[in-house]
Amino acid sequence: KAGVTQTPRYLIKTRGQQVTLSCSPISGHRSVSWYQQTPGQGLQFLFEYFSETQRNKGNFPGRFSGRQFSNSRSEMNVSTLELGDSALYLCASSVVLAGGVNEQFFGPGTRLTVL
Amino acid sequence: DQQVKQNSPSLSVQEGRISILNCDYTNSMFDYFLWYKKYPAEGPTFLISISSIKDKNEDGRFTVFLNKSAKHLSLHIVPSQPGDSAVYFCAASGRNDMRFGAGTRLTVKP
Repeated sequence: KAGVTQTPRYLIKTRGQQVTLSCSPISGHRSVSWYQQTPGQGLQFLFEYFSETQRNKGNFPGRFSGRQFSNSRSEMNVSTLELGDSALYLCASSVVLAGGVNEQFFGPGTRLTVL
Repeated sequence: DQQVKQNSPSLSVQEGRISILNCDYTNSMFDYFLWYKKYPAEGPTFLISISSIKDKNEDGRFTVFLNKSAKHLSLHIVPSQPGDSAVYFCAASGRNDMRFGAGTRLTVKP
């Protein structure tokens, strides 16, 4: 099975612009989660989508949004970029294990630099 | 809100010795705990997990211990190898919710 793929891998934007990141989950996985990784803050949860619906949301401003398509592919959008949005954005797809636990499989991430 | 905390941002250990990485959580609703390992330029990969009904889970050189009363878990790596050098993330999972710690960078010196 192919792993989680994210595009683009690297992106440079300027303040005020908007950006869209894409994630293709592992085939058969219906849940997709997005995380922001910055030095010292670790992995900060952005949101989770399941069957095209946002199921969970972290504490990020409304500039951060996402969606999921019927084929489970997901996009994340950040509008009005700020310098502090520079980070590695990770996508994870998950499968439910016995007992209802989600095991997450991460993509390689998109490195966003805001100048 | 930091529901999962890894208070040591870095740890350096000599090859062959034990590495102990610690993690604390605040939400008693978490019932499953995982450790992920991350190399530069790659996404985190699953390493080992433990259910809240257990207090220990072992997989080769890796052992995770859970102390529910203290809301604390730890990852032991014995013996440590240079290839173990990476960032380790602790994660806690509840119903439809997973939270990660800030990570601990482990360096294993030859």
